[in-house]
Amino acid sequence: GQNIDQPTEMTATEGAIVQINCTYQTSGFNGLFWYQQHAGEAPTFLSYNVLDGLEEKGRFSSFLSRSKGYSYLLLKELQMKDSASYLCAVTDTGRRALTFGSGTRLQVQP
Amino acid sequence: GAVVSQHPSWVICKSGTSVKIECRSLDFQATTMFWYRQFPKQSLMLMATSNEGSKATYEQGVEKDKFLINHASLTLSTLTVTSAHPEDSSFYICSAREIAGRALTGELFFGEGSRLTVL
Repeated sequence: GQNIDQPTEMTATEGAIVQINCTYQTSGFNGLFWYQQHAGEAPTFLSYNVLDGLEEKGRFSSFLSRSKGYSYLLLKELQMKDSASYLCAVTDTGRRALTFGSGTRLQVQP
Repeated sequence: GAVVSQHPSWVICKSGTSVKIECRSLDFQATTMFWYRQFPKQSLMLMATSNEGSKATYEQGVEKDKFLINHASLTLSTLTVTSAHPEDSSFYICSAREIAGRALTGELFFGEGSRLTVL
């Protein structure tokens, strides 16, 4: 089976940097995804990591350590519109569907 | 980029009726689509994997007779909630990945979601 853990809620200040952690346990790891989801909307793709290291995409970066079963999403220069839930999801070689963590609700304050 | 479309976005129905939700891949072909359900303030839970031309694969605890899935073409999958009850009220989201291409990212595209309210 798969098990994914991430913090339930986080609060940060506009303009700051925030790191959202995700730990996972899965057999046959085949990639880790981060999605952003605003209330009442479908998730939107942020990043995909399958190899160890840091992937940078604008204000968002995602890191993966397969040996530690650990990933983080780094958001820089936070904006009010970044207030949303951030979902960590993994896929394994046996399935093509994603298994999602419970999500981290980020509140950006002025 | 690839787009997945769901219809309807909102549906309100009476208890005991059936509701059909459509999921279409607009600019790519998808042999496999996935149906998720999301209750308020919870994460997405995989309900079933829809396979074109064959039976869907349901996750443990999901009633296949209640949630009927049909994937008749490479661009359309439907989820029918039969004899809906208030506890079926939820946000239903479909997703799909292209048959080929985008292999480097493995990106899964999501539909806009369908919010079902059963009175």
